[in-house]
Amino acid sequence: AQSVTQLGSHVSVSEGALVLLRCNYSSSVPPYLFWYVQYPNQGLQLLLKYTSAATLVKGINGFEAEFKKSETSFHLTKPSAHMSDAAEYFCAVSVRNDYKLSFGAGTTVTVRA
Amino acid sequence: GAGVSQSPRYKVAKRGQDVALRCDPISGHVSLFWYQQALGQGPEFLTYFQNEAQLDKSGLPSDRFFAERPEGSVSTLKIQRTQQEDSAVYLCASSLLDTNTEAFFGQGTRLTVV
Repeated sequence: AQSVTQLGSHVSVSEGALVLLRCNYSSSVPPYLFWYVQYPNQGLQLLLKYTSAATLVKGINGFEAEFKKSETSFHLTKPSAHMSDAAEYFCAVSVRNDYKLSFGAGTTVTVRA
Repeated sequence: GAGVSQSPRYKVAKRGQDVALRCDPISGHVSLFWYQQALGQGPEFLTYFQNEAQLDKSGLPSDRFFAERPEGSVSTLKIQRTQQEDSAVYLCASSLLDTNTEAFFGQGTRLTVV
């Protein structure tokens, strides 16, 4: 079975500062990895996904993530935080030909002016 | 519609009451998923449909939970004799393909059992 662990349930950053959200995965087979964002009272929106192509994945809203097999990590970054980035972020894992997503517990991001 | 639509958005049920939650997936999407998101947690898989066939219901917490998708489009998640621990946001997602690489989520139904 696959699982992810998100390190840090809350992250607070200043506007314009680097955003770094940490995700480590566990999988016995090559994983597919995802980052989703959830705004208050909204559903989940896909930010980016890794499906065994390039290890550096660029997503929407200036986010990117790097798959590091040696570290079993898929950390999410954004060089410069914007107030609109305040939301909850979920890392998720799946595997090829599977349909289930296994989500982490989420990281809430607040952005200080 | 353009996205996955869920109704109602909010539901308050008295303990013991039956509820039905509806999901309208994106037109033409083969796969449909239900997830349960407890407060402060990530979503947890409940069940999966490919067209009208329920291929996996391993995540349903008890036999009080039942899901159907009779014509391969709209799906209903039914919870019988609701209990307080059923309080959560129920998310529906649909995917064009038969794998989960591009799942689109609805806004969810927040169920509160009192």
